Amino acid sequence: EDKVVQSPLSLVVHEGDTVTLNCSYEVTNFRSLLWYKQEKKAPTFLFMLTSSGIEKKSGRLSSILDKKELFSILNITATQTGDSAIYLCAVESSGSNYKLTFGKGTLLTVNP
Amino acid sequence: IAGITQAPTSQILAAGRRMTLRCTQDMRHNAMYWYRQDLGLGLRLIHYSNTAGTTGKGEVPDGYSVSRANTDDFPLTLASAVPSQTSVYFCASSQVWGAEQYFGPGTRLTVT
Repeated sequence: EDKVVQSPLSLVVHEGDTVTLNCSYEVTNFRSLLWYKQEKKAPTFLFMLTSSGIEKKSGRLSSILDKKELFSILNITATQTGDSAIYLCAVESSGSNYKLTFGKGTLLTVNP
Repeated sequence: IAGITQAPTSQILAAGRRMTLRCTQDMRHNAMYWYRQDLGLGLRLIHYSNTAGTTGKGEVPDGYSVSRANTDDFPLTLASAVPSQTSVYFCASSQVWGAEQYFGPGTRLTVT
């Protein structure tokens, strides 16, 4: 059975701190790993990772994938209160049946 | 404004009733998806469609049906609602099969 495990489940930091969110996975026929940010409503796309060792960056957020050790990290530097959200990791697998398996998410709270 | 819309925003439904959740996108995306999000279980894929005219089952398809008569619309039907179908339902789309997904605002459904 495919698994996606995120850690920590929740995290409270102060503005300006740097945080690292973790996502480990066990899937057959790995295709890609995706990160989403969910505030009050719908998840919004952050990154899609398909290759090991290539960092993707968007402003203060960055992410990298390790396909040998089966994990990804999402880094947020100089956190702001607007970064408070649930961060979701999902893994796509291909094959006879398409699957997109989500982790349970990490709840990040950034206090002023 | 380009994007995905869902209707209704929320609904309270008596058990045994039939209900269709609507989803429309105007981005001409080929692939569309339906998820449910439950506390402690995360996002789970119900059904998907990789192009108009085709549909497939996700992780939790029982009790739900979908159709994809055209590119823009992907309705989700509960033929006879049960309380365990109380959830927040998200529709999503991606330009092509397996690309990053963009989510609608969600429908909060309560089955009593």
